Amino acid sequence: GENVEQHPSTLSVQEGDSAVIKCTYSDSASNYFPWYKQELGKRPQLIIDIRSNVGEKKDQRIAVTLNKTAKHFSLHITETQPEDSAVYFCAAGRNTDKLIFGTGTRLQVFP
Amino acid sequence: EAEVAQSPRYKITEKSQAVAFWCDPISGHATLYWYRQILGQGPELLVQFQDESVVDDSQLPKDRFSAERLKGVDSTLKIQPAELGDSAMYLCASSLKRGNTGELFFGEGSRLTVL
Repeated sequence: GENVEQHPSTLSVQEGDSAVIKCTYSDSASNYFPWYKQELGKRPQLIIDIRSNVGEKKDQRIAVTLNKTAKHFSLHITETQPEDSAVYFCAAGRNTDKLIFGTGTRLQVFP
Repeated sequence: EAEVAQSPRYKITEKSQAVAFWCDPISGHATLYWYRQILGQGPELLVQFQDESVVDDSQLPKDRFSAERLKGVDSTLKIQPAELGDSAMYLCASSLKRGNTGELFFGEGSRLTVL
């Protein structure tokens, strides 16, 4: 079955710097790769997703890249702000069925 | 804005007791998921419904866990008997339809503590 590894587990950056979170997956049939943000005590919320027919997707300060050959995908946050502080989860799966989540990255943005 | 509703938000129980969690998905969402999130880990899928039918319960510990979605709308997840290792956040999510590469909408979760 699918296995998703996520690194780093914690990430601290200064406000305005960039943050990068990386995930690898094992199932070459996976075609859907969402990223969720979970603030303390709140529900996970989708921030961006990418499908296997696209190599990169950008939404304002957030971008995701996908390397199907190497089976890894990354989340890039530029110009980080304190409100970006949260736990970020990557996931991989065949559409939204059987989405397997990574273990999460706790991002702290210091003013 | 429509949201997935879950109750209770918090539940403390002693081991060997029965517990139940309820989820009401966003109206019109055919697919409903129950995830378990242990502290410090990512959500783990327990069961997936398409309307009233179970389409995946391969990770559901069926000796003690059960889930139903009788009318294809709201759903109940039950644990009987609860064990210490069941302490976790139980998240319900819904999406418009199966196989749609669209968004999973999560509820706020039910945090279970087993003493």
